[in-house]
Amino acid sequence: GDSVTQMEGPVTLSEEAFLTINCTYTATGYPSLFWYVQYPGEGLQLLLKATKADDKGSNKGFEATYRKETTSFHLEKGSVQVSDSAVYFCALSGGVDGGFKTIFGAGTRLFVKA
Amino acid sequence: EAQVTQNPRYLITVTGKKLTVTCSQNMNHEYMSWYRQDPGLGLRQIYYSMNVEVTDKGDVPEGYKVSRKEKRNFPLILESPSPNQTSLYFCASSLQFPSYEQYFGPGTRLTVT
Repeated sequence: GDSVTQMEGPVTLSEEAFLTINCTYTATGYPSLFWYVQYPGEGLQLLLKATKADDKGSNKGFEATYRKETTSFHLEKGSVQVSDSAVYFCALSGGVDGGFKTIFGAGTRLFVKA
Repeated sequence: EAQVTQNPRYLITVTGKKLTVTCSQNMNHEYMSWYRQDPGLGLRQIYYSMNVEVTDKGDVPEGYKVSRKEKRNFPLILESPSPNQTSLYFCASSLQFPSYEQYFGPGTRLTVT
């Protein structure tokens, strides 16, 4: 069945460092891919998305490109801030085997030090 | 304000005592879903609904029930809660599946003793 694998955390970076959080998926067909962010004590909110191969999603300096050939959707940011400290989730919707399910990765906690 | 609301936000109960967690959205979304969040496991989908009167199981449906009688509401029912259902629960809604993002409620922290 469909699945999402994210790099394990926590990831600890200094302010202004480059961020990469890896996400790979297993799915047939052409699923939509998402990155959500969860700040402490809150629900998840959309960070960015891509709905077809080679699409690049971007928001608040974060970017991710839908790579079908490598089944990946890695999250990147050129210069992180303390306010980016949160848990990041990669998610997939609409794979052929998954029907109408949404599959989330386990989440990656990011700590950014001043 | 466009939002997904859940009630209660916190609940402590005992094994076997039926409970309902309510979820409501005011965005006229078609797709609604329930998830549980457990440490190290991310979010796992319990049930989802494509529209009124259309529901289906997610990956962890055992011990839960749902109904979708109105478009805006999607309650989660635990008819006989057990300690392994202690978790953080999120309701979410989306305009359409699969390419639109989901909007999440604030979460319900449930403890079953």
